[in-house]
Amino acid sequence: GQQLNQSPQSMFIQEGEDVSMNCTSSSIFNTWLWYKQEPGEGPVLLIALYKAGELTSNGRLTAQFGITRKDSFLNISASIPSDVGIYFCAGQLGYGGSQGNLIFGKGTKLSVKP
Amino acid sequence: GAGVSQSPRYKVAKRGQDVALRCDPISGHVSLFWYQQALGQGPEFLTYFQNEAQLDKSGLPSDRFFAERPEGSVSTLKIQRTQQEDSAVYLCASSSGPDPSTEKLFFGSGTQLSVL
Repeated sequence: GQQLNQSPQSMFIQEGEDVSMNCTSSSIFNTWLWYKQEPGEGPVLLIALYKAGELTSNGRLTAQFGITRKDSFLNISASIPSDVGIYFCAGQLGYGGSQGNLIFGKGTKLSVKP
Repeated sequence: GAGVSQSPRYKVAKRGQDVALRCDPISGHVSLFWYQQALGQGPEFLTYFQNEAQLDKSGLPSDRFFAERPEGSVSTLKIQRTQQEDSAVYLCASSSGPDPSTEKLFFGSGTQLSVL
């Protein structure tokens, strides 16, 4: 199935470091979302972006909707051990109903060393 | 419960067996999605319900996969004659409105299916 190109695949960082990950697509998306998934759980929404160029923060997390509408990035500042998990980007092609189904990237696995 | 509930959490099936996976969405949620997540991959869309109507089943990989939501609440994903490539985590998600981009989508913890 169609998936987004998400990078890096994995990151192993020291506590306190900043983290950056991104997602690109050949398709234009109307909405970009970033999720975090922990082992044995479903994805949890972190940030939703609705307009090209939009920059949104949620605590230590900041995400941007690329102006071409084909990319997005997520930054995490001053990482802490509980940031460990897999981060997924997801794009939505349309609005409403079944067009709301999400296309996910393959994920970035984040490990944080105390 | 407060969240999306899925059962069973784990299911082991012999190749060729039929399985049924259950999803209890958040009460009152209109939209319900099923996703398949293979090991090391992101979730992939299977099917979408708005109330009891299955509006999109384009992601179902074969006619062995069948989903229903007869009363617009609980949904069941059925897989007939399971094969090894069906092994994955099956995630259910629900939202209060018809548009998950503006209505927050809540995921369950999934059912991990292993086909031997």
